[in-house]
Amino acid sequence: QPVLTQSSSASASLGSSVKLTCTLSSGHSNYIIAWHQQQPGKAPRFLMKLEGSGSYNKGSGVPDRFSGSSSGADRYLTISNLQSEDEADYYCETWDSKSYVFGTGTKVTVL
Amino acid sequence: EVQLVESGGGLVQPGGSLRLSCAASGFTFSDYSMNWVRQAPGKGLEWISYITSSSSKMYYADSVKGRFTISRDNAKNSLFLQMNSLRDEDTAMYYCARVVSSTGTTSWGQGALVTVSS
Repeated sequence: QPVLTQSSSASASLGSSVKLTCTLSSGHSNYIIAWHQQQPGKAPRFLMKLEGSGSYNKGSGVPDRFSGSSSGADRYLTISNLQSEDEADYYCETWDSKSYVFGTGTKVTVL
Repeated sequence: EVQLVESGGGLVQPGGSLRLSCAASGFTFSDYSMNWVRQAPGKGLEWISYITSSSSKMYYADSVKGRFTISRDNAKNSLFLQMNSLRDEDTAMYYCARVVSSTGTTSWGQGALVTVSS
């Protein structure tokens, strides 16, 4: 079963960019992941599907400021032109034949 | 627009049972697999159960295996989670979520709060 590793927190100034990392465990470096955003007090929201090639497909209504990329076992979520509403927890998700797994989440603070 | 609306949450004593429901609309429910995902207070997301579109396969996290049962009624566009032998550590917000093949979880409900306490 794959394991997803995320750093616990990240911060950046309003209008700048932040890059979040989700690392797949050994033997699972080619797995597809999904990124989700959870604003305070709200349900999660699907942001995008991200493949090992770096190709990504965003959910409906997700702003252009959100983009994805990949390198080896690392999957990245970049938020450009950071806005106050981007202050949230961000989770990555993957799956195998019989289970799903989420990373521990990264809390993004907008300074 | 995809809508998932959970119901059935509440306060239950340890050892008790509860049944969550999820009403789906805005898409052809019978075409999609579904997940239940929970989130304990102040904690991260935890996948707990999955069911295929036809109910041919169901999977569970070790933390709930043998105590929880996932099911669905495609004729009523509904997903269920029967929770038995509830423990304090099952206290969480429970989310119903739609799964898209090779994409993962793509839509979330607003959640149903389950509190296990004496």
